[in-house]
Order: sequence, then C-alpha cells, then structure tokens
Amino acid sequence: GAVVSQHPSRVICKSGTSVKIECRSLDFQATTMFWYRQFPKQSLMLMATSNEGSKATYEQGVEKDKFLINHASLTLSTLTVTSAHPEDSSFYICSAGAGVNQPQHFGDGTRLSIL
Amino acid sequence: SQQGEEDPQALSIQEGENATMNCSYKTSINNLQWYRQNSGRGLVHLILIRSNEREKHSGRLRVTLDTSKKSSSLLITASRAADTASYFCATGANSKLTFGKGITLSVRP
Repeated sequence: GAVVSQHPSRVICKSGTSVKIECRSLDFQATTMFWYRQFPKQSLMLMATSNEGSKATYEQGVEKDKFLINHASLTLSTLTVTSAHPEDSSFYICSAGAGVNQPQHFGDGTRLSIL
Repeated sequence: SQQGEEDPQALSIQEGENATMNCSYKTSINNLQWYRQNSGRGLVHLILIRSNEREKHSGRLRVTLDTSKKSSSLLITASRAADTASYFCATGANSKLTFGKGITLSVRP
C-alpha cells in the first residue's frame, strides 16, 4: 500500500524554538496533504490542507503564521511550528490523499514536547 | 469540528469474540472510513464505504452504512489480541476527513 514517511518522530526542545516536521509520500504523488493535531486520548483535529504549488488552506482557529506549511513538491509537505511554546506540545500527524472516495495514508506522527 | 461519534467509547472483549463498534454522523458525506491507531502511532486505513453502498467486507472486517440514519457499524470477527487499538470512523467530504472521538478496543488473550 501507499507509504507516507513523517520525520522526526519525536522532538523535545525549549520554548521559543521553531520546529520543522516533514511529511513525504514515498511511492505516489500527493497533490494534497493534510496536517492534523491530536491531544492525548482524543480525536484528530484537521489543522490545514496542504496543496502542492499553492497556499495551504487553514481550518478555523488555526494560526497560519504560527503553523507554516510548505508543499513545494508532489512528495513533500512541511509543517513549521514557529516560536513554539508549551501549549503547542502535541502529537502532529500528516496524511496524503489521492482524492475524493480514496483513503488517506498517514505518517507515523511526530510527538512534539516544548519545555 | 468533529462529526463522527463512536459508540461505545471503550470495549473490552475476550480473544475469539466479535467486536461491534458504531458511528453516527450529522451531515452529508461522500464516504465513511474506518481507521485503526496503535498507541503513539499514525492511523492505518481499514475500510472505505461509499455513500451509495450499504455493506462492505474486508477479511475479518464488515462495515455497514445506513445513510437514512446517518450511522455506520464496524464488526471485527474472531478478534485477536493484536486487534487491540483505537478505532476511528471518519466521514469524507470533498477529500477532507472529519474524525470521531474514537473507540478503545482491548482484546484479552
């Protein structure tokens, strides 16, 4: 099946640091990728839809200047958490979609801990 | 915003038993999908059922969809300890997914 690689799997850093998370589709071209945030024992909340070659579409309440998304190629989307603070600590998961009525393929997630 | 609501929130069964999980949603959908998540990992796609389908099978999985009641069920037959995980239903509309809160399934060996 389709494989999505997410890196890094775990980040621990000081408050004020900016953190970049990469999401790669390894065996297919993904024109659309999605970024989710998941709190412990809770559901996935869609943060933004990343479109190759254009600006990301952010969900209501998600700060676009805080969570910078770049989708420069058909196989790579990046999420940068700028000037991260402890409240940004969470599990971030990306996925790549193949279109309507197709499943999304998920990365293994990134556990972000801000001290 | 969350749309799918799974029921029950937690389920504990003995290995070999069947597990039934339910999901309800509120708005129109193109499809409904079920995913599994092992602790601390990403989601694994299990099965997708389109809005014009009523039932679908994949191995030990059986999914039903009732669009008139806006509900779906996932049945796992002959459960195994390895089925222990969180299960999420997600409604698909225009390529985006909206996830429910999830069901924690524990299968006792």
